Amino acid sequence: GESVGLHLPTLSVQEGDNSIINCAYSNSASDYFIWYKQESGKGPQFIIDIRSNMDKRQGQRVTVLLNKTVKHLSLQIAATQPGDSAVYFCSSTSGTYKYIFGTGTRLKVLA
Amino acid sequence: EPEVTQTPSHQVTQMGQEVILRCVPISNHLYFYWYRQILGQKVEFLVSFYNNEISEKSEIFDDQFSVERPDGSNFTLKIRSTKLEDSAMYFCASMVANEQYFGPGTRLTVT
Repeated sequence: GESVGLHLPTLSVQEGDNSIINCAYSNSASDYFIWYKQESGKGPQFIIDIRSNMDKRQGQRVTVLLNKTVKHLSLQIAATQPGDSAVYFCSSTSGTYKYIFGTGTRLKVLA
Repeated sequence: EPEVTQTPSHQVTQMGQEVILRCVPISNHLYFYWYRQILGQKVEFLVSFYNNEISEKSEIFDDQFSVERPDGSNFTLKIRSTKLEDSAMYFCASMVANEQYFGPGTRLTVT
């Protein structure tokens, strides 16, 4: 069935280093992708999105890369800060109102 | 800043009982969602709602589930006869311009 999955359940990075969180999706019809940040006890929070007609999009300290050939997207966080510690989910949809979420990667920022 | 609110924050119920989870979406948003997240697992899509009707629903959203927008501001999720496996965090989200805003969630515990 349709799925969006993450490669690593936990990622530990040193404060100030760059973080890269990866996500694979299975539905080749997916045309819109979103990265969410979920802090403990809170709902997911939108970080950045990208449409399938793009391969890169940049925000403030974050960059999303999309490789449609291998159905893979990544979230890069520059100069990772303690406040970036959270679980990160990718999500996708294929032109419908149904959004599929990945398993989640826990990012731990080490001081 | 406007936000999605959900009540109650925690609901404990006995198996077989009906529960209603309530959400107040952001006022100018037109698309509404319910998701659930079993502890430690990914966020799962339940249903999307637009123009007073269901747009899309997942296989999880069976006859035991229903949604309603009773008064133009509230958006409710009803589970008619709860099962132990319904224990989870339930998130409501509202959307504008493809950006979903999540509420803080209701933790449902079925005993």
